[in-house]
Amino acid sequence: QKEVEQNSGPLSVPEGAIASLNCTYSDRGSQSFFWYRQYSGKSPELIMSIYSNGDKEDGRFTAQLNKASQYVSLLIRDSQPSDSATYLCAVVGLGSSASKIIFGSGTRLSIRP
Amino acid sequence: DGGITQSPKYLFRKEGQNVTLSCEQNLNHDAMYWYRQDPGQGLRLIYYSQIVNDFQKGDIAEGYSVSREKKESFPLTVTSAQKNPTAFYLCAAKGGTGEKLFFGSGTQLSVL
Repeated sequence: QKEVEQNSGPLSVPEGAIASLNCTYSDRGSQSFFWYRQYSGKSPELIMSIYSNGDKEDGRFTAQLNKASQYVSLLIRDSQPSDSATYLCAVVGLGSSASKIIFGSGTRLSIRP
Repeated sequence: DGGITQSPKYLFRKEGQNVTLSCEQNLNHDAMYWYRQDPGQGLRLIYYSQIVNDFQKGDIAEGYSVSREKKESFPLTVTSAQKNPTAFYLCAAKGGTGEKLFFGSGTQLSVL
């Protein structure tokens, strides 16, 4: 079982709709979770971080965390063509692995006009 | 200009050759990381370092080596033992537990 799993996509969403991206993780003790966006050929950039169960909203983005079910999701409302990118889920370990940051394989999102 | 500087942007390796990728940071962050990214894939952790003179293997450390002699620098050597080195290599730094990663602009390594 991979430590962090994401559907690779591509996920195609019409412009203006809600895009929903999901991520599951295997380490039940993980405490910190991040969503990065990566355009082709560029470095990842952080768009959301979440540390406690529930929802966290920032503009058009909402991160959701459910530690009991070990999943974290990202919702993008009013999707725009500029949202077309690969979205990477990242999970930080606990204790002796507190500095170990593991990424999922990424979900490629395409916003169609 | 603060951040992570990776060099070179493009690097070519001949068979049997060791090559070193440079990563320098002026953010004064303790933790530094090296990731490998293959086309259409996510980031895989090669090595990470939490403090000077200490580093840990990630998930794909075989064929790579690192050093952390200075807080600012975390070079990665791709050795001849790494048989499939062609990939995009990303260096990153982090200031504390649970905090975000700051990435460099990456090095594209190809085999001649």
